[in-house]
Amino acid sequence: QQQVKQSPQSLIVQKGGISIINCAYENTAFDYFPWYQQFPGKGPALLIAIRPDVSEKKEGRFTISFNKSAKQFSLHIMDSQPGDSATYFCAASGNQFYFGTGTSLTVIP
Amino acid sequence: GAGVSQTPSNKVTEKGKYVELRCDPISGHTALYWYRQSLGQGPEFLIYFQGTGAADDSGLPNDRFFAVRPEGSVSTLKIQRTERGDSAVYLCASSSGAGYNEQFFGPGTRLTVL
Repeated sequence: QQQVKQSPQSLIVQKGGISIINCAYENTAFDYFPWYQQFPGKGPALLIAIRPDVSEKKEGRFTISFNKSAKQFSLHIMDSQPGDSATYFCAASGNQFYFGTGTSLTVIP
Repeated sequence: GAGVSQTPSNKVTEKGKYVELRCDPISGHTALYWYRQSLGQGPEFLIYFQGTGAADDSGLPNDRFFAVRPEGSVSTLKIQRTERGDSAVYLCASSSGAGYNEQFFGPGTRLTVL
């Protein structure tokens, strides 16, 4: 059973646009929700993370929106750049980390 | 400082063979994790060490998989009697502790079982 569901599978955005990736979870015991960025041939790298006691967290062009009642959270990338082209994974953590299936983002110049 | 390193970067083996994959965590990190990432999927948890002991090995798929961390630093993931379905990228991550601490991932070892 997939603990964390992620959509879309792939996303194409024009340079300067907003990229939005969504995740949903079922287990209310999860208490840490990170987003990872992965480039080909590299391991995932932490981008931004949120805990369920806040509804939004912003770091530069990256924002997490968190809806505890709906058990959903999303990543917004503002002013998307070609260098943002990568695969993005959401994750949820209780005792273990559970990752989504990933979103391949392509930002067109 | 140096990040998490994994060796080898690529490993090709034949079905039925034994393989060992090595992970060197960031110095001082007490927590170490192994994940498996299949093509087009997110990392899948295998095992978590806190110090020398396996705190959670519930993600190991079967008894062909085993991992050790004898001195609380370097870890080795061992796979016996490899099967074609074991082909994946094996990722290692370390953190300064469990829970909310950021996990730092290595580049992974790509295992191909022919």
